[in-house]
Amino acid sequence: SQQGEEDPQALSIQEGENATMNCSYKTSINNLQWYRQNSGRGLVHLILIRSNEREKHSGRLRVTLDTSKKSSSLLITASRAADTASYFCATDAFQGGFKTIFGAGTRLFVKA
Amino acid sequence: NAGVTQTPKFRVLKTGQSMTLLCAQDMNHEYMYWYRQDPGMGLRLIHYSVGEGTTAKGEVPDGYNVSRLKKQNFLLGLESAAPSQTSVYFCASSYSGTTTNEKLFFGSGTQLSVL
Repeated sequence: SQQGEEDPQALSIQEGENATMNCSYKTSINNLQWYRQNSGRGLVHLILIRSNEREKHSGRLRVTLDTSKKSSSLLITASRAADTASYFCATDAFQGGFKTIFGAGTRLFVKA
Repeated sequence: NAGVTQTPKFRVLKTGQSMTLLCAQDMNHEYMYWYRQDPGMGLRLIHYSVGEGTTAKGEVPDGYNVSRLKKQNFLLGLESAAPSQTSVYFCASSYSGTTTNEKLFFGSGTQLSVL
């Protein structure tokens, strides 16, 4: 079973609007990461937030983490057509070494 | 700096055939991973390695084998391909510390079709 689950599964917005995606996970984590995947490409790392952090910013991205609720959110402000992609959260799990487990992702479509 | 390189990019197999996917990274990363991605789903971990000469099972290891003979290479083998193994395969690597995992660097993927 997957550790992280994103919500919504798909999101369609107009250019200039903000996009919010949520991720819930099941077990304790050391960090949580967000990745973007453009169609037909590999995943690209966006941001990492550690379990002792509550909020982190990177350009137009804002990530929050609530460990008490086992949830995280990714906010993309002033979206652009180029932000159209799938976004995945990923959490770490330790089993003889750290491995990274991904959720099913949110497909974001930004209309120009 | 090439990063993570996967070969081949595309492959079509017949049921029962075998093949090996090659992943190479030039970042001196300790950890390497093989994931598969199916339509509408996230990435599922097949096998991973925490260092040269080590391998471990992920979420969906059945039907696959791996080897990490050299630190920079991680091979994924299918001994007897099945249609259920039709998928896009991604290799990734990371520089992981001893207490947590760090960001992954991904290859561009291999589209595998098993007929």
